[in-house]
Amino acid sequence: NAGVTQTPKFRILKIGQSMTLQCTQDMNHNYMYWYRQDPGMGLKLIYYSVGAGITDKGEVPNGYNVSRSTTEDFPLRLELAAPSQTSVYFCASSETSGSGNEQFFGPGTRLTVL
Amino acid sequence: AQSVTQLGSHVSVSEGALVLLRCNYSSSVPPYLFWYVQYPNQGLQLLLKYTTGATLVKGINGFEAEFKKSETSFHLTKPSAHMSDAAEYFCAVSGPNTDKLIFGTGTRLQVFP
Repeated sequence: NAGVTQTPKFRILKIGQSMTLQCTQDMNHNYMYWYRQDPGMGLKLIYYSVGAGITDKGEVPNGYNVSRSTTEDFPLRLELAAPSQTSVYFCASSETSGSGNEQFFGPGTRLTVL
Repeated sequence: AQSVTQLGSHVSVSEGALVLLRCNYSSSVPPYLFWYVQYPNQGLQLLLKYTTGATLVKGINGFEAEFKKSETSFHLTKPSAHMSDAAEYFCAVSGPNTDKLIFGTGTRLQVFP
């Protein structure tokens, strides 16, 4: 099992550009999550999904969009990149939620918007 | 609403010394509590968790944590630090019927020889 994989590892964007951060998991997990990590701020939930075709907003969804067409994939889309979106982005997955199940994290994507 | 407070953004210890990382939580429902570790340039991995039952929880790499309801705490300890323990540690809370994991701001542990 590869677990949770994310691409790319690093990316530099110009203000106003768009991009998609890819996330794939091979554990057949129903729940998937996108977080951003900023220094001294911990991890903040951007969007999450409880299964294919179902997504919901987290704590900091503005400026982002997601889709979940398959169980395996959960891409995160930035439409108009802004400097405030400079961060490290982590995708995670879990078998279920609300029962203390572990979330498994990908290695992260480091994004810089200039 | 749930929240987590980690006291001390940086903790430094000598190799072989006790490690104590503090975490206090706020929750209106019985909490599920987690400690995750993040090594440099990597994702987070689970150290240990408390859901129900025994309040002293043992995790990987010799770490343990004790759930103290009266103190609303879930401090992480390790009797003897190793150089390889240098990392950032995150406490997190969720609960029954809760989809979301709420993270603390993290504590960076440095271990000196």
